[in-house]
Amino acid sequence: KNEVEQSPQNLTAQEGEFITINCSYSVGISALHWLQQHPGGGIVSLFMLSSGKKKHGRLIATINIQEKHSSLHITASHPRDSAVYICAGLRSNFGNEKLTFGTGTRLTIIP
Amino acid sequence: SQTIHQWPATLVQPVGSPLSLECTVEGTSNPNLYWYRQAAGRGLQLLFYSVGIGQISSEVPQNLSASRPQDRQFILSSKKLLLSDSGFYLCAWDKGDTEAFFGQGTRLTVV
Repeated sequence: KNEVEQSPQNLTAQEGEFITINCSYSVGISALHWLQQHPGGGIVSLFMLSSGKKKHGRLIATINIQEKHSSLHITASHPRDSAVYICAGLRSNFGNEKLTFGTGTRLTIIP
Repeated sequence: SQTIHQWPATLVQPVGSPLSLECTVEGTSNPNLYWYRQAAGRGLQLLFYSVGIGQISSEVPQNLSASRPQDRQFILSSKKLLLSDSGFYLCAWDKGDTEAFFGQGTRLTVV
């Protein structure tokens, strides 16, 4: 079982729809990153959160520590949101922090 | 401001040839540095991480190596490339419990 599991793998939606991408993680992961990878490959960090909820524009990330689950929401989705969204768990090991990545969710927003 | 530079952006190399990918970070000191690989259709895989000059940890056995000759310089190398080394290589940095920052990546094709 992977330490970080994402769903769905692929998601296609119409412009304007509310999008949810889910991430479950295993014990020992202290924080979650949500990353966005564009077709060219470049990765941008969207959020890092260890509790509660963060919002940036139309993007909202939530995390439930007890359930070891995080979600990324996109409100009023737009074709420019089309990208691969990656959840990554931060694990601390004797002072060394390492990220473990989910396999990503490919989001396609149709105009 | 903090930036990360990774080059080259694309590289086509014959099997058996050497490899050197370079990553430099600006605007911070003593970062944790990472090399990741993303094979086609797969998630990001951690190859190497470094918490300081000359300190390299390898996550997976392979014919690749990494070096950190200076605090903000991380180099990924190979003496002889294999076809299976093709993929998208990303350099990243963080300061432990902070957001991670990624380079733009190098798309390596071994022919």
